[in-house]
Amino acid sequence: QKEVEQDPGPLSVPEGAIVSLNCTYSNSAFQYFMWYRQYSRKGPELLMYTYSSGNKEDGRFTAQVDKSSKYISLFIRDSQPSDSATYLCAMRNTNAGKSTFGDGTTLTVKP
Amino acid sequence: DTAVSQTPKYLVTQMGNDKSIKCEQNLGHDTMYWYKQDSKKFLKIMFSYNNKELIINETVPNRFSPKSPDKAHLNLHINSLELGDSAVYFCASSQESGVSGYTFGSGTRLTVV
Repeated sequence: QKEVEQDPGPLSVPEGAIVSLNCTYSNSAFQYFMWYRQYSRKGPELLMYTYSSGNKEDGRFTAQVDKSSKYISLFIRDSQPSDSATYLCAMRNTNAGKSTFGDGTTLTVKP
Repeated sequence: DTAVSQTPKYLVTQMGNDKSIKCEQNLGHDTMYWYKQDSKKFLKIMFSYNNKELIINETVPNRFSPKSPDKAHLNLHINSLELGDSAVYFCASSQESGVSGYTFGSGTRLTVV
């Protein structure tokens, strides 16, 4: 079983929709949680990172962490065609020296 | 002004050849990484260096040898390339702990024929 499982997608939504992207994990030592966006043929780019449980908002993006359920989410409000990309969750514990990534969810926002 | 730059962007080579990929970061980060991304987008850690010291060496064939001449550079040399080595290789860097995320390069797409 993988340490990090991500909803596989692909996901296709109309412009303006609210998008929910989700990951579950098994390692209770994970404390730092990240979301990356990867456009086709580009490197992943960090969108948001959070520590422990709670919510963090940045513009149209909200990251949510529920450590008790070992579940994290990224919400995108008012989705735009430019949000079309693969979204990767990642997480790590303090001393791991590395982040463990989910497999990614490919999102298409249709105009 | 590119933060993490990798060269080359594309590499097509025959089985059995030896090739190198170079990576440089100008962010002043202490830690650099090599990740391999397969066709299904899964990113798997290969190596990590902190201030030129190897700190992570995952179960990677010893045909892969990283080298960090200084903390701004991390190169990857691959001997005796195999078909299964075809993938996109990403270099990344972070502050020492890495808990606030990585900055990735744009990747090197390696195709072994």
